[in-house]
Amino acid sequence: QVQLVQSGAEVKRPGASVRVSCKASGYTFTSNHINWVRQAPGQGLEWMGTIDPNNGATNYARKFRGTITMTRDTSTSTVYMDLSSLRSEDTAFYYCVREVVTGDFDYWGQGTLVTVSS
Amino acid sequence: QTVVTQEPSLTVSPGGTVTLTCASSTGAVTSDYYPSWFQQKPGQTPRALIYSTNNKHSWTPARFSGSLLGGKAALTLSGVQPEDEAEYSCLLFYGGGWVFGGGTKLTVL
Repeated sequence: QVQLVQSGAEVKRPGASVRVSCKASGYTFTSNHINWVRQAPGQGLEWMGTIDPNNGATNYARKFRGTITMTRDTSTSTVYMDLSSLRSEDTAFYYCVREVVTGDFDYWGQGTLVTVSS
Repeated sequence: QTVVTQEPSLTVSPGGTVTLTCASSTGAVTSDYYPSWFQQKPGQTPRALIYSTNNKHSWTPARFSGSLLGGKAALTLSGVQPEDEAEYSCLLFYGGGWVFGGGTKLTVL
């Protein structure tokens, strides 16, 4: 069965960086894009960007360009999302999501809570 | 900046029918926006319901349906159940990326 398992919760100081990982299993890792979506406490969902695990190509939401980097390791079927220059507004749950065909965000990771606090 | 607008909240009676909509600040929503819908209950991860306007997942209850209605994407729940009380979010494609709506809190009362 398809599973996306994310790394654990993080607490960071303002200005720091964070890395969240997402390990995929149950399907061919290079066949489907992985998107990252975040949700601040009590707020709506926000699309951050996507990576094609087949070739590493990325597409980031305009808001995050300059602070976000998505990479992948095909040997471990893992996608990474790095976010730098953290601010308190970046406190949120971060989800990795498989996109099986255009717009079909079918399987979601369990979410990783990133807390940014001084 | 592109904005996707949903009703902030709706209330429906058990057994009733309700339609949630998803509008784009750029104009009419068409199938080219690949509208999709997600359900999220408190403390849970979002769950995909509908993709590409009206396609269901294997786990999507039959009472949920997606469509285009009056220039918007729409999610209709027919024969609403108490367990359908949740937040519903839509997602639209804009060529360069995706934008979520702000979500609709559906209350079953």
